[in-house]
Parts: sequence; C-alpha cells; structure tokens
Amino acid sequence: EPEVTQTPSHQVTQMGQEVILRCVPISNHLYFYWYRQILGQKVEFLVSFYNNEISEKSEIFDDQFSVERPDGSNFTLKIRSTKLEDSAMYFCASNRQLAKNIQYFGAGTRLSVL
Amino acid sequence: DAKTTQPPSMDCAEGRAANLPCNHSTISGNEYVYWYRQIHSQGPQYIIHGLKNNETNEMASLIITEDRKSSTLILPHATLRDTAVYYCIVRVANYGGSQGNLIFGKGTKLSVKP
Repeated sequence: EPEVTQTPSHQVTQMGQEVILRCVPISNHLYFYWYRQILGQKVEFLVSFYNNEISEKSEIFDDQFSVERPDGSNFTLKIRSTKLEDSAMYFCASNRQLAKNIQYFGAGTRLSVL
Repeated sequence: DAKTTQPPSMDCAEGRAANLPCNHSTISGNEYVYWYRQIHSQGPQYIIHGLKNNETNEMASLIITEDRKSSTLILPHATLRDTAVYYCIVRVANYGGSQGNLIFGKGTKLSVKP
C-alpha cells in the first residue's frame, strides 16, 4: 500500500539554526499538508499546498516557515531560525481528491531544538 | 466548522465492540463527520467518514443519528492494537478556497485491555 514517507525520523538542532524536513507524498496525490504536534498537545494544522502554491496557512505558520515542492515528488518544510518552542513532531499528509478529504499521514519527524 | 465533543477516555475489553461517541450538535448540512486515530505519537490514520448514512468499511462502522447531531464509531472486535487516541472531526465537503485542513481536538483515548 502506498504511503507518505518522512525523513529524517528525528532531527536535533541548535536554536537559531535552519532545518528542512522532507516528505514524499503518495505519488498521485495533489494536495499536501504539514501539521505539528507539541508533546502532549493536539495535532495542529500548519499549511496546505496545491498546484505549487500555499492554499491556506495557520497563524503558527509565520515568516520563519516556508514550504516547497522542488522536484515534483518531495515536499519540504523549512524553518529558517529554529526556536526552542519549535520542538515538536511534524507530520506531512497528502490527499488525492478534495471532495473526500481522506488525508494520509507520514510517521512524522521529531524535531528537537536545543 | 462545527465543534465536536468526545469523552477524554474509554476502556474496552479485547474482543468486545468499542463504541466511541461524538457530539456535533452544531453540524451543518454540508459537513461530513470524519474519524481518525493516532497510535502512540504515530501519524494520524484515517478510519472512516460519512455525511448522513451509516457507513462501514474493513476497519469500523460509523453510525450517525438521524438529526446528525451525534455519531458513534464502532470497532466491532477491538484488539490491543486498537489502543489509540480517536478523533472525531467535522469538516465541510466543498471548500471553496479552503483545501481541507483538518482541525483536531483532544479526542478519546481508547485503552483496549486483555
């Protein structure tokens, strides 16, 4: 069964450093999302992406965040200057058709900012 | 999107049916009910969704009341691997400018016990 793949599974970085989290969505999917989950808290929507542009973003997704689909298969989330409070699990998801909105999630990347 | 209310936790004996309730009294006519689950910090997993008719798939059944103000997810023969947090999410089907981001609440932590 096709799945969403995220790398790395765990990323440790120093505060102020840039990180790029990578995702390979399911190949025939058109809609892509990033969510995050701070330890012990709810899963929170960050951004959705369609047709090579951001469709929606939450208030969490500020100027420090950016997304890109550089080569038609990867979907990346960049955090320019990490803060301690960016430590969380980051989940990528993809969706084939908007009408059903069945989102398939990756296993996540645990980001630890020291 | 309509707000949902779920009990914070439930227990179920292995092999028995798990019935997880969700209240969504402010649901509107074009909003679907989605169920996802999250097994111990893994990525959320889609289970089932419906508009007004009862639905069944290989994982679960979804019973929606006639007035659509509440629903029940049924896992017919719960196993230890079904221990997870279960999320009931109400979401509009036709999004206009929105691309279908999911809004997760705290969900119900289901513990399946031997």
